Amino acid sequence: GIQVEQSPPDLILQEGANSTLRCNFSDSVNNLQWFHQNPWGQLINLFYIPSGTKQNGRLSATTVATERYSLLYISSSQTTDSGVYFCAVRMGQKVTFGTGTKLQVIP
Amino acid sequence: NAGVTQTPKFRVLKTGQSMTLLCAQDMNHEYMYWYRQDPGMGLRLIHYSVGEGTTAKGEVPDGYNVSRLKKQNFLLGLESAAPSQTSVYFCASSWGDTQYFGPGTRLTVL
Repeated sequence: GIQVEQSPPDLILQEGANSTLRCNFSDSVNNLQWFHQNPWGQLINLFYIPSGTKQNGRLSATTVATERYSLLYISSSQTTDSGVYFCAVRMGQKVTFGTGTKLQVIP
Repeated sequence: NAGVTQTPKFRVLKTGQSMTLLCAQDMNHEYMYWYRQDPGMGLRLIHYSVGEGTTAKGEVPDGYNVSRLKKQNFLLGLESAAPSQTSVYFCASSWGDTQYFGPGTRLTVL
């Protein structure tokens, strides 16, 4: 099956810093989503981004499908950004999640 | 709209017991999914459904059964629970490409 790798696995940031999270995938995919799992366990959609670039406030994402990677940018990080960030890719109806990047933003 | 809801939120079972987890969505989505999440790992797909009356196996289907008798509901059954099934279970639904997740069910099997 398809392999999805995320890096870094863990990240600690000072509040206000910027960061880039990466998601590599091993095969062509129909779509790619980024999620944030907050410290209470809830999974929140961030982006549906099979290709190109999208922005939503302090977050933006870029997917280069031909090179099989996606990047999530977090600017001016806040403590509420803490949690685990997952990318998930779909081939057909099967969805594969990466193992996530655990982000801790400290005041 | 309530979105995606899951029942129960928590459950403790003894080895060999059976139970059913209920997922309900009020968004008229065709596709529904069951995942499990184990510590330090991403979500793994158990089963999914592309419409009422249909089900299909995902990545880790063994030990689980599912049914989609109504479009808004997707049930996950454990016939004989094992300690290896201790996990957090998430349900999701989608129309098109964006998945929406429920709050999860934390299941412990002793």
